[in-house]
Amino acid sequence: DAGVTQSPTHLIKTRGQQVTLRCSPKSGHDTVSWYQQALGQGPQFIFQYYEEEERQRGNFPDRFSGHQFPNYSSELNVNALLLGDSALYLCASSLVAEGYTFGSGTRLTVV
Amino acid sequence: AQSVTQLGSHVSVSEGALVLLRCNYSSSVPPYLFWYVQYPNQGLQLLLKYTTGATLVKGINGFEAEFKKSETSFHLTKPSAHMSDAAEYFCAVRNTGNQFYFGTGTSLTVIP
Repeated sequence: DAGVTQSPTHLIKTRGQQVTLRCSPKSGHDTVSWYQQALGQGPQFIFQYYEEEERQRGNFPDRFSGHQFPNYSSELNVNALLLGDSALYLCASSLVAEGYTFGSGTRLTVV
Repeated sequence: AQSVTQLGSHVSVSEGALVLLRCNYSSSVPPYLFWYVQYPNQGLQLLLKYTTGATLVKGINGFEAEFKKSETSFHLTKPSAHMSDAAEYFCAVRNTGNQFYFGTGTSLTVIP
């Protein structure tokens, strides 16, 4: 049973560019949440998708956007990258009201 | 509003010694509490969770945690540390919308 799959695992982008990160949820899970984990910090909630709609959003600017597809997979898009966007981006899937299963993350470095 | 405070960003214990990682929470509703472990370059793995019922919760790898409402605490313990326990540990509280609030983490070092 595959868990949460994220791609790519590592990514280097230049300041000002745009990036798309991808997530395939655990089989049977319908909710996808995205978190940003800066070095030495705990994960910070970006947003959550359920039924292809953004249901909750954390304190992140509009440069961060997402999408959920009919097969429950999800994308995180970040526009106009800043150096401060460098972090580990974690995707977590769940069934509503159950605990998360986390992916291994995408390490984004902005130079 | 929900928040979590982890006391001690770094904890070192000898192999075989007691592990105690501290977590205090703030929640405006009855809390759902979690402990996750993160190994280098990996995602977060669930150790244990408290939702309702018994306040002493047992998790994987010999870890357990006790929910103490009067102290707003959910400390993680393990009677005997193993070298493989060296990792980053995160306490988290979940709101009614299934959004998690994580602490800043505690790095556990196990000394042989």
